[in-house]
Amino acid sequence: ETGVTQTPRHLVMGMTNKKSLKCEQHLGHNAMYWYKQSAKKPLELMFVYSLEERVENNSVPSRFSPECPNSSHLFLHLHTLQPEDSALYLCASSQDLPNTEAFFGQGTRLTVV
Amino acid sequence: KQEVTQIPAALSVPEGENLVLNCSFTDSAIYNLQWFRQDPGKGLTSLLLIQSSQREQTSGRLNASLDKSSGRSTLYIAASQPGDSATYLCAVPPHSGGSNYKLTFGKGTLLTVNP
Repeated sequence: ETGVTQTPRHLVMGMTNKKSLKCEQHLGHNAMYWYKQSAKKPLELMFVYSLEERVENNSVPSRFSPECPNSSHLFLHLHTLQPEDSALYLCASSQDLPNTEAFFGQGTRLTVV
Repeated sequence: KQEVTQIPAALSVPEGENLVLNCSFTDSAIYNLQWFRQDPGKGLTSLLLIQSSQREQTSGRLNASLDKSSGRSTLYIAASQPGDSATYLCAVPPHSGGSNYKLTFGKGTLLTVNP
């Protein structure tokens, strides 16, 4: 248990569906992150929030829409996805920016059909 | 642009063997380096974090070293066990320039410890 909880653990969705991934951290951290992990590729940073403000958008397509209502919760809203978006989506948090230790959730395995 | 390389990509050893995983990075201006473990289809578990001012960190059977000037880190696992089988990832945050938030990861080393 890392203190970062992601739901759902698995998600299968059609290309016309709208779904959301949820992340919650119980560590009192200020920064939260979304990463994408595809097969055979290093983890790719998608979004960063610091104190509920988005501070980084790493050229992510608009079909991915993040939301951070408070410092403990982070969402990733999905719509009109493509099969190549199928991947493991990981949420992470840290006390501040990446200079401090990062803690990851168990991930959501997303399959787009 | 920071690049992180991990060698070997895969490693298979018999139980009880001591082993070393390697991580190299191109930009030595880093704040710290973090080693993670990832089980198949799961998230990342932080193993060790070494600050740039440190030479090594130890946690149980794990020992991580950092040579910032040469851009290298090693993860030493003593007396390996089948439960150590996983993918091991190293990651570094930038010290300056460009994105201040991006942890750059290597592709990982897939370790298999055979009973």
